[in-house]
Parts: sequence; structure tokens; C-alpha cells
Amino acid sequence: DIQMTQSPSSLSASVGDRVTITCRASQSISTYLNWYQQRPGNAPKLLIYAASSLHSGVPSRFSGSGSGTDFTLTINSLQPEDFATYYCQQSHSAPLTFGGGTKVEIK
Amino acid sequence: QVQLQESGPGLVKPSETLSLTCTVSGDSINDYYWSWIRQPPGKGLEWIGYIYYSGSTNYNPSLKSRVTISVDTSKNQFSLKLTSVTAADTAVYYCARRITTSGWYRDDYWGQGALVIVSS
Repeated sequence: DIQMTQSPSSLSASVGDRVTITCRASQSISTYLNWYQQRPGNAPKLLIYAASSLHSGVPSRFSGSGSGTDFTLTINSLQPEDFATYYCQQSHSAPLTFGGGTKVEIK
Repeated sequence: QVQLQESGPGLVKPSETLSLTCTVSGDSINDYYWSWIRQPPGKGLEWIGYIYYSGSTNYNPSLKSRVTISVDTSKNQFSLKLTSVTAADTAVYYCARRITTSGWYRDDYWGQGALVIVSS
């Protein structure tokens, strides 16, 4: 199985900050990497697919980069609605696996 | 707008079978893959498996011996059965639509989730 490791597991930030979350795969997954946002009590929402493609309707302050084993989700100018948990997921091969999540909290 | 809704018992006894149905509205179930994902309380996401509308499936090996995902195109529904459940199967179960663009797969629409508690 491909292991996905996210860092940090949590972070505190202020509205307007730039936030960067890292995801590392245990083997190369090319760009078969998705990012999801999950607010408390809600289902995950797709943000980014294919490592860097913005899903329809997602604000442009979200961006993704990386290939191979190292990936990054960046949120420019953090907004109040962005305080949530973020998960990466590899779609390279089954079993599909998720990172452990990064909780973005208000400072 | 595509909508998915999970339904089924919220409480299942240990050793029994968990059964959930996902009803899709706003689009046909045809021509897509459909996923099940679960999340134990306070923990991360775990992929259970997916099914193509034609019936072909792919399961997580960690659950494969206990999982069956099926589809009913006439009702625009797909279902999950998990046998011999234990407390470790207590989780919120999500259904989702799985789409692809040139081989890049992702789950773009999700149901609200159904909490299933395994307890006697």
C-alpha cells in the first residue's frame, strides 16, 4: 500500500495568512494526488485534483503543486471559512489511501 | 446539481451485517464510478471501495473479505454491505461520485454521511 504522510498535523494561523501543507507519498505517484477540505460535521469537499488542477467552484486562493512523492497545498490569504481539516489522497493505485489530515485552526 | 444521500440503520449489533444505500439524484448513475469511504469518530478517512455502473468493483484489501458493493441502475442507487462487524467498524460512512479526466480520478460529489454505530 502507498502510505501518505501529511505535515504538520495541525497549525494555527490568522485570517489573511498564507498557509502551506505538505503531503509525502511512500513511493512515486506522479501527479495522482487529490486534496480535500473537511469542515467539522460535514463531508469532505474536493479542492484540487491531479496535484494542481483546481476543482470547479473552488476559490483561486487554493493551489496545489508537486509530483512524484512530494506535494504541497497552499492557501493564500486565509479566510474564516478555510479553518478546517485538509486531507491528501493518492489515486495512483488501489488501495486508495489518505493522509492523516492537517487541522487548520484560528490563532 | 448532483446529490447523494446515504440511508440505512444507524445501529448494528456485533457480528451482524451493516447495510447502507446511496441514492443519487440530479444525474444518472450510468457512466460513472461510485465510491464508499468511511471515517471513525475523530479519525481520518478510509477508502472502502468503488463500483462502476456496469457492476465491476474494486475493494480495499483490508476489508475485501467482508465487503460487497452493488449497483441498481433502475433505482439510481448503489449499496454497501459489510459483514461480521465489530466496534472497529463504527464510523461515518460516505458515498461519493468518482469521476475521471484523462485518468486522473477523484471523488467530486459526496453524500452528507451516515453514522453507523456497532454495539449490542
